[in-house]
Amino acid sequence: EAQVTQNPRYLITVTGKKLTVTCSQNMNHEYMSWYRQDPGLGLRQIYYSMNVEVTDKGDVPEGYKVSRKEKRNFPLILESPSPNQTSLYFCASSLRRGAQTSSGELFFGEGSRLTVL
Amino acid sequence: GENVEQHPSTLSVQEGDSAVIKCTYSDSASNYFPWYKQELGKRPQLIIDIRSNVGEKKDQRIAVTLNKTAKHFSLHITETQPEDSAVYFCAAPSGSARQLTFGSGTQLTVLP
Repeated sequence: EAQVTQNPRYLITVTGKKLTVTCSQNMNHEYMSWYRQDPGLGLRQIYYSMNVEVTDKGDVPEGYKVSRKEKRNFPLILESPSPNQTSLYFCASSLRRGAQTSSGELFFGEGSRLTVL
Repeated sequence: GENVEQHPSTLSVQEGDSAVIKCTYSDSASNYFPWYKQELGKRPQLIIDIRSNVGEKKDQRIAVTLNKTAKHFSLHITETQPEDSAVYFCAAPSGSARQLTFGSGTQLTVLP
């Protein structure tokens, strides 16, 4: 089954304790991205990756890191979480993305609800 | 970068009535406009999209219209049903189409 898998789905942590949210897709997609969803603010992009070893900042990258060492995986790292990073996080992937190529469907993971105390 | 504004933020309609959600965008180079539906507790999923070479696209009870001159596009849902109740997001490309910027979302409630 084609899917985007995130883990953990739910996490409560404390300020300053490093954590990683994993994301894996099995569709051989080139493009992967992380979004956070907050009430009234919609989906805001944190980081994205056009392909392996290529990552770029989105609109709200502060406090986050990512890596893309393999095509299927795109982990989100919070080195020192703070309460303002309490949010619902979505990983998403698409076949490819860019001005000269088909801007196709984004497939989302099930979401990871993070609470930072 | 792209700025996408979505209105209204909440919308309640009677079952069987129509619902319209509107979005405006700022980047005149944008050429792809998708709509995503997010049911309660679920992930967003694409329901319809439109490219800039057409003005309207329909898929059963949903349709999207695009006005490139005015830089706005709209989602139309006819004969609404309770299962249409969800949050709807519009989006537009930015950053040379490498990014997808979402609107703030519309909570649609279909009243029985």
